[in-house]
Amino acid sequence: RKEVEQDPGPFNVPEGATVAFNCTYSNSASQSFFWYRQDCRKEPKLLMSVYSSGNEDGRFTAQLNRASQYISLLIRDSKLSDSATYLCVVNPSYDKVIFGPGTSLSVIP
Amino acid sequence: DAGVIQSPRHEVTEMGQEVTLRCKPISGHDYLFWYRQTMMRGLELLIYFNNNVPIDDSGMPEDRFSAKMPNASFSTLKIQPSEPRDSAVYFCASSYRDKRYNEQFFGPGTRLTVL
Repeated sequence: RKEVEQDPGPFNVPEGATVAFNCTYSNSASQSFFWYRQDCRKEPKLLMSVYSSGNEDGRFTAQLNRASQYISLLIRDSKLSDSATYLCVVNPSYDKVIFGPGTSLSVIP
Repeated sequence: DAGVIQSPRHEVTEMGQEVTLRCKPISGHDYLFWYRQTMMRGLELLIYFNNNVPIDDSGMPEDRFSAKMPNASFSTLKIQPSEPRDSAVYFCASSYRDKRYNEQFFGPGTRLTVL
């Protein structure tokens, strides 16, 4: 089993739709979690951290379920500019960072 | 502020040649990471440094790959000899250790093609 798994997609959704991505991780001792965004032919950039209590940043909501070892990202009111690959990132230990394979999102006019 | 700087941005070389990729991390960051990204394998961590010292090189594919960080503002990733399967985008990232989180800042990447 891979340390971090994501549904690769692609997710093709119309503008204004709500879309959710899930990510599962294998190491129950993992300490911190993030979502990164990567545009086509660009570098990954931090989208948001994921906190135990869940957190929201505008149209984006991140949730963590430690018991089931998954994190999620919800995007409401999708915009064309949300089209990108979303990478789940897990810290199994402080100095170790594991990137998931990414989920591709295309928002269609 | 200047972000992470990588050079060259594109490199095309022939099999067997030596390739050197360069990275300048963000000033003040004490961690530096080298990644490789391909369609098949996604983003793979090759090696990372803390305060210029290599901490984990378990992701380096084989002896043809080597990385150095002679000072806090410069690192190189060398492939010698290069092979077509080394074709990928190589990213350098840096971060500053913070007890809350350690966001990584990525450079624009070097797109390597080995013919």
